[in-house]
Amino acid sequence: SQQGEEDPQALSIQEGENATMNCSYKTSINNLQWYRQNSGRGLVHLILIRSNEREKHSGRLRVTLDTSKKSSSLLITASRAADTASYFCATNQGGSEKLVFGKGTKLTVNP
Amino acid sequence: DAGITQSPRHKVTETGTPVTLRCHQTENHRYMYWYRQDPGHGLRLIHYSYGVKDTDKGEVSDGYSVSRSKTEDFLLTLESATSSQTSVYFCAISERLAGGTSTDTQYFGPGTRLTVL
Repeated sequence: SQQGEEDPQALSIQEGENATMNCSYKTSINNLQWYRQNSGRGLVHLILIRSNEREKHSGRLRVTLDTSKKSSSLLITASRAADTASYFCATNQGGSEKLVFGKGTKLTVNP
Repeated sequence: DAGITQSPRHKVTETGTPVTLRCHQTENHRYMYWYRQDPGHGLRLIHYSYGVKDTDKGEVSDGYSVSRSKTEDFLLTLESATSSQTSVYFCAISERLAGGTSTDTQYFGPGTRLTVL
């Protein structure tokens, strides 16, 4: 079963705009990660936020985590055409070596 | 890119034939994973390994077996391929940090596109 569920399923924006994607999950977690997948390629890790953190930044990426609502958001600021990809959240439950991935948000950034 | 290769990258086979996919890593990471990716389902874990000859089932393990005789290689076998196993298969690796309490970042291979006719 899917632990993380991304929202929206698809998002289309113009270059320069911000893109926000959300992820909800069901059980308590140790950490939550976001990955990017370009068409026809493998997933690439973007950022990891631990359960005791509320916000984390990496370049143009900002991730928030609200454990009380069991949700996270990924914000990409000043988007570029190269940001066009699918974005997945993945959660890790305590003591597990396994990640559970959501179904992803497909982001299209139009030039 | 992490040193992960998958072979073959593309394969077309017929129903009922055995198929083996190979994942090879040069990072000496402890954990290796096999996922399948299908439209509408995201990534689903098939099997994973936490060391040489140590493997465990994932969410969708029926019809698949795995083997890990060396740290660097993780094989996924479809004993008798079915059309429902047409998918893109990804291998991933990760390493638990010393004293760490949770799974580290996973690094993915380029994928194998398998078509079962």
